[in-house]
Amino acid sequence: GDSVTQMEGPVTLSEEAFLTINCTYTATGYPSLFWYVQYPGEGLQLLLKATKADDKGSNKGFEATYRKETTSFHLEKGSVQVSDSAVYFCALGLYSGGGADGLTFGKGTHLIIQP
Amino acid sequence: EAGVVQSPRYKIIEKKQPVAFWCNPISGHNTLYWYLQNLGQGPELLIRYENEEAVDDSQLPKDRFSAERLKGVDSTLKIQPAELGDSAVYLCASSPTVGWTEAFFGQGTRLTVV
Repeated sequence: GDSVTQMEGPVTLSEEAFLTINCTYTATGYPSLFWYVQYPGEGLQLLLKATKADDKGSNKGFEATYRKETTSFHLEKGSVQVSDSAVYFCALGLYSGGGADGLTFGKGTHLIIQP
Repeated sequence: EAGVVQSPRYKIIEKKQPVAFWCNPISGHNTLYWYLQNLGQGPELLIRYENEEAVDDSQLPKDRFSAERLKGVDSTLKIQPAELGDSAVYLCASSPTVGWTEAFFGQGTRLTVV
């Protein structure tokens, strides 16, 4: 079945450090890929997405590139801020012809940014 | 534009009692999802609706869980009877069109079964 694997947390960084959160996937079809973020006490928010190979999704300084050859969608940011502290979820979604299937999520990576 | 609205935000019940969660999707979104999120885990799909039809309920534990989406808008997820292991966050999400995989999530209902 479809699955998403992302690096275990928590990941603790100092402010202005470079961030990478690894994500790899297994899918029977040709998925769209997403990063969602969950801030404390809030719901899941879409951070960025990519719908085909070599697409780069970007938002709020975060970037991720859809790499079909390595089945990866790693999240990066050049300089993190304390306000980036949250849980980040990598996810894939497939369209099966009968509609948009539910998203398959990784377990989440808790990011902690220290001032 | 209002987002996905869920209620209640928090619910504490005793085991064996029934409980219901309500979701109002974004206006015009015909796809609605219910997810279960256990502590420290990613959300897992329970059921997907296209309008009023449940098109994927393969992960819904039908012995105690039920859901409905009357008139293809609001939806209710019910557990009867609740068990201790049902303590989790129940998330509702909606999508704008059939075939579009992006989902918009509500804030969730945190259920505690004691």
